[in-house]
Amino acid sequence: NAGVMQNPRHLVRRRGQEARLRCSPMKGHSHVYWYRQLPEEGLKFMVYLQKENIIDESGMPKERFSAEFPKEGPSILRIQQVVRGDSAAYFCASSPRRDRGTGELFFGEGSRLTVL
Amino acid sequence: TQLLEQSPQFLSIQEGENLTVYCNSSSVFSSLQWYRQEPGEGPVLLVTVVTGGEVKKLKRLTFQFGDARKDSSLHITAAQPGDTGLYLCATRAGGTSYGKLTFGQGTILTVHP
Repeated sequence: NAGVMQNPRHLVRRRGQEARLRCSPMKGHSHVYWYRQLPEEGLKFMVYLQKENIIDESGMPKERFSAEFPKEGPSILRIQQVVRGDSAAYFCASSPRRDRGTGELFFGEGSRLTVL
Repeated sequence: TQLLEQSPQFLSIQEGENLTVYCNSSSVFSSLQWYRQEPGEGPVLLVTVVTGGEVKKLKRLTFQFGDARKDSSLHITAAQPGDTGLYLCATRAGGTSYGKLTFGQGTILTVHP
C-alpha cells in the first residue's frame, strides 16, 4: 500500500493517559500535516512538519499536544493527559514538496481517539 | 482566516436524481479543492480549480469555479448510492504556500437506492 498509513485506526484512552498517533507519509513525500476532525467543528489544521522540523504549528493547542517527524520513522502526534474533549478523528496528510501551487494533500484513513 | 460556507448541510435524495452543492466565501479564492470523505475514511481529493469560470468534469461530477473566484459548485448527475459521503471544499489558508487548508463544514449526501 503506497498511501498514507496511520495507526492505530482506533484508540481508547482514559482521562489523564497519553495518546500516541503515528503516520507514515506516502512514498516519496517528505511533508506531513496533521488535521483534527470534530463533528461540530469540521476538519481543522493542526501542524505542518518536514523531516526533523516543525514548520507551522499554529493550529496546535498550546498545552498537552506535540508533534514530531524524525529523520527515521513515522511522524508522531502525541497528546498528554487526555481529556474527553480530545476525542476526535485525527488525520495525517502528506505532500511531495512544499508548494504544489494549490496545496493538494493526500490523506490517511485517520486515527479515531475516544477518551473515556 | 477565510471562511468557507457550504450548502446545503444535508442532502438526502433518491438514486437517479441530480443535485448541486455549493461553496461560498466573502473573499477571493486563490484556488479551491473538492474532497469526498466516506464514513470511517479520510478525505480523497476529487478536483482542484484555479481559474475563474473554470469547469471540470469527472464522470458524472461537474465542478464549476465562479468567475470572481468567490464561489464554487459541484453538480452530480444521476446520483448513485456510491456517491454517498461528506463533500468538502477547501482552500489554501491565506499567506501560505503549503498545504495548510481551510475546509468548509461539508455537505452530507445520502443517496437512497
